[in-house]
Amino acid sequence: DTAVSQTPKYLVTQMGNDKSIKCEQNLGHDTMYWYKQDSKKFLKIMFSYNNKELIINETVPNRFSPKSPDKAHLNLHINSLELGDSAVYFCASEREGGDEQFFGPGTRLTVL
Amino acid sequence: DAKTTQPPSMDCAEGRAANLPCNHSTISGNEYVYWYRQIHSQGPQYIIHGLKNNETNEMASLIITEDRKSSTLILPHATLRDTAVYYCIVRPFGGGADGLTFGKGTHLIIQP
Repeated sequence: DTAVSQTPKYLVTQMGNDKSIKCEQNLGHDTMYWYKQDSKKFLKIMFSYNNKELIINETVPNRFSPKSPDKAHLNLHINSLELGDSAVYFCASEREGGDEQFFGPGTRLTVL
Repeated sequence: DAKTTQPPSMDCAEGRAANLPCNHSTISGNEYVYWYRQIHSQGPQYIIHGLKNNETNEMASLIITEDRKSSTLILPHATLRDTAVYYCIVRPFGGGADGLTFGKGTHLIIQP
């Protein structure tokens, strides 16, 4: 079974639309993350979330919002998509006090 | 910003040991050295981590200098599948809310 899964794998949409990317982990981890990898391949943390707190990277626009229906899921909602949002988005998880993050396969978002 | 510096690229012959250096001269006493790699189009993958002692697992060895200002990741018998971008990251153990801060990494190319 895949430890961290994301859907969809590819997402193509128009500017101004609202979209969501789903992430699920079956590892029983407490903390989940979203990262963005841009066209220059730089990987940057966007959010970290556990059942206690949400940490938001200050550079992330408020059009992006993570939503966690339960401990195993952390979905990423994006409103009013812009061209610059085109990137690969990776979800990851880690157990509390752990030493290793597990990453999903990524979602390639293309905004036209 | 990343607290590590790595060479942008390296080549290694298949079957040889690949030695990837990393400088982290401003590492704090409570920060560990982590190594991840990203094979093309996949999510990052954890390799190994350490505090001050040398570490070895089934994937690699990690050598940390006594002053902890630099380290070397060693892949003992590189294969073509080890071609990837390797990231050296410093982070408090069990960093939890702190996601991983990725730098530019080293693109390791294994030559047949």
